[in-house]
Amino acid sequence: GQQLNQSPQSMFIQEGEDVSMNCTSSSIFNTWLWYKQDPGEGPVLLIALYKAGELTSNGRLTAQFGITRKDSFLNISASIPSDVGIYFCAGQRGGSNYKLTFGKGTLLTVNP
Amino acid sequence: DADVTQTPRNRITKTGKRIMLECSQTKGHDRMYWYRQDPGLGLRLIYYSFDVKDINKGEISDGYSVSRQAQAKFSLSLESAIPNQTALYFCATSLSGSTGELFFGEGSRLTVL
Repeated sequence: GQQLNQSPQSMFIQEGEDVSMNCTSSSIFNTWLWYKQDPGEGPVLLIALYKAGELTSNGRLTAQFGITRKDSFLNISASIPSDVGIYFCAGQRGGSNYKLTFGKGTLLTVNP
Repeated sequence: DADVTQTPRNRITKTGKRIMLECSQTKGHDRMYWYRQDPGLGLRLIYYSFDVKDINKGEISDGYSVSRQAQAKFSLSLESAIPNQTALYFCATSLSGSTGELFFGEGSRLTVL
């Protein structure tokens, strides 16, 4: 099946540092999404990207849809303790009848 | 109140027992999903349903069954639980025509001894 390679698997950073994580695939996706899972909760959508080359921001978060349509990255600037959690990338091929494929997640720990 | 509600939130059971996890939603979405989360493996799709009469297997459906009792209710059953089904299970919903945005419940943690 389709696979998304998400890296890094985990990160330990100091409050105030910037963070970058990415996802790559051997397949083309038409939509890239980034979700965050807070401890003890279900994942919540952070950013959705629908066009190759698209760069989208949501507060301190910035995500880009790669030109090749096979990759995406998420940056978090000036991290704060509440950024702690698991970040998942997800890709969707074709139209809305297609299921999402999720990456394995990046566990982010922020030391105050 | 949560828009996507899962019950139970935690369950410990023994090998061979039948278990049902239930999901209900008030979002009015037609599509519902069951995912399994294991450490380091991310989210894997078990079953999904695009409407009440539509049920589809996901990537890891063996050992599981589902029932879509109504548009708002989607239950997951383990007919004979085994220890490697110990995991965190999530129900999710989406609206047909939307692209990729899933709304997740808070999860059901299942431990099979």
